Amino acid sequence: QVQLQQSGAELVKPGTSVKLSCKASGYTFTSNHMNWIKQTTGQGLEWIGIINPGSGGTSYNVKFKGKATLTVDKSSSTAFMQLSSLTPEDSAVYYCARDYGSFDYWGQGVMVTVSS
Amino acid sequence: DIQMTQSPASLSASLGETVTIECRASEDIYNGLAWYQQKPGKSPQLLIYNANSLHTGVPSRFSGSGSGTQYSLKINSLQSEDVASYFCQQYYNYPPTFGSGTKLEIK
Repeated sequence: QVQLQQSGAELVKPGTSVKLSCKASGYTFTSNHMNWIKQTTGQGLEWIGIINPGSGGTSYNVKFKGKATLTVDKSSSTAFMQLSSLTPEDSAVYYCARDYGSFDYWGQGVMVTVSS
Repeated sequence: DIQMTQSPASLSASLGETVTIECRASEDIYNGLAWYQQKPGKSPQLLIYNANSLHTGVPSRFSGSGSGTQYSLKINSLQSEDVASYFCQQYYNYPPTFGSGTKLEIK
């Protein structure tokens, strides 16, 4: 069955970066694009961007350009998202989700807390 | 960006009732519409895609309808396990955007 296993919770300091991972299993990793989504109580669900695991090609929400960088490692069927220059406004739960037009399978989410 | 306006924000209903959640897009999204269920502390799960297609394993008491800018999710015979938040999402145009959610509780 399709599974997306995300890395664990992060507590990071303002101004630093963090790299989140999303390991896919149960399907051919390069057959579907991968999305990343941010969820906060205040802003709800926001789409960050999408990556094509086969080519590495990416597309970002304008709001997250310069904040998020999406990459993949095909050898381990893992997608990554690096968030840079972190501020308290980046504190959120971040999800990866397989693309099917809609988002048909989601990771369990990872909570990122930005605090000094 | 396409704005998704979802209503109501919260809903309380009795077991066995039928409930409907609405979503309005700021422009025509040509049935590029999905519904997700999110239980507390869990990730969203796909229920409906292409406005009216049931995702694998989703109970048939869930159904979606609509066209153009107006869409709805109906839950028949409400069960206790349906307590959750529900979100609509358009994926017709980039960036994909979500409604603000409906919190469903049991009376």
